[in-house]
Amino acid sequence: RKEVEQDPGPFNVPEGATVAFNCTYSNSASQSFFWYRQDCRKEPKLLMSVYSSGNEDGRFTAQLNRASQYISLLIRDSKLSDSATYLCVVISGSARQLTFGSGTQLTVLP
Amino acid sequence: GAGVSQSPSNKVTEKGKDVELRCDPISGHTALYWYRQSLGQGLEFLIYFQGNSAPDKSGLPSDRFSAERTGGSVSTLTIQRTQQEDSAVYLCASSSKGRASGRTKMSSSYNEQFFGPGTRLTVL
Repeated sequence: RKEVEQDPGPFNVPEGATVAFNCTYSNSASQSFFWYRQDCRKEPKLLMSVYSSGNEDGRFTAQLNRASQYISLLIRDSKLSDSATYLCVVISGSARQLTFGSGTQLTVLP
Repeated sequence: GAGVSQSPSNKVTEKGKDVELRCDPISGHTALYWYRQSLGQGLEFLIYFQGNSAPDKSGLPSDRFSAERTGGSVSTLTIQRTQQEDSAVYLCASSSKGRASGRTKMSSSYNEQFFGPGTRLTVL
């Protein structure tokens, strides 16, 4: 089983739709969680951190479920510019043990 | 300010040749990471440098891979006797701190890694 697993998609949704991605992790001792965004042929960039209490930034909401060992990303009122691959990142132990998921591809259609 | 830069942006080489990939981290960043991303895959951790500490080489896939970081700044990833399966995008990232913290803010993450544009390596 992979340490971090994501549904690769692709998710094709119309503009304005709400879409959610999940990411499961296998190490129950994992400490920190993030979502990164990667545009086609570009480098990954930090989108948001994920807290146990959940956090929201505009149209984006990230949540962590430690009991079930998954994190989620919810995008409301999706825009064309949201089209990208979303990578979940799990940190266990020191920052050296940073594991990226393989990413979920999102395409927002006009 | 200047971000992480990598060179070359593209490299095509023949099987069996050696290649060197360069990474210039953000000035003042003490932590530097190398990752590899194959087509449609996530990032595979290769190696991590933190200040003057011994690097964490646990992700290097074989002894053909090595990396150096001179003067705590520029890093070079060397792949000897390249194989076709080495074809991938090699990404470098730097961060101001190496250790993860618990709670971080979105815009000023304690251990946010800033990525370079990558080097696309093709081994023929």
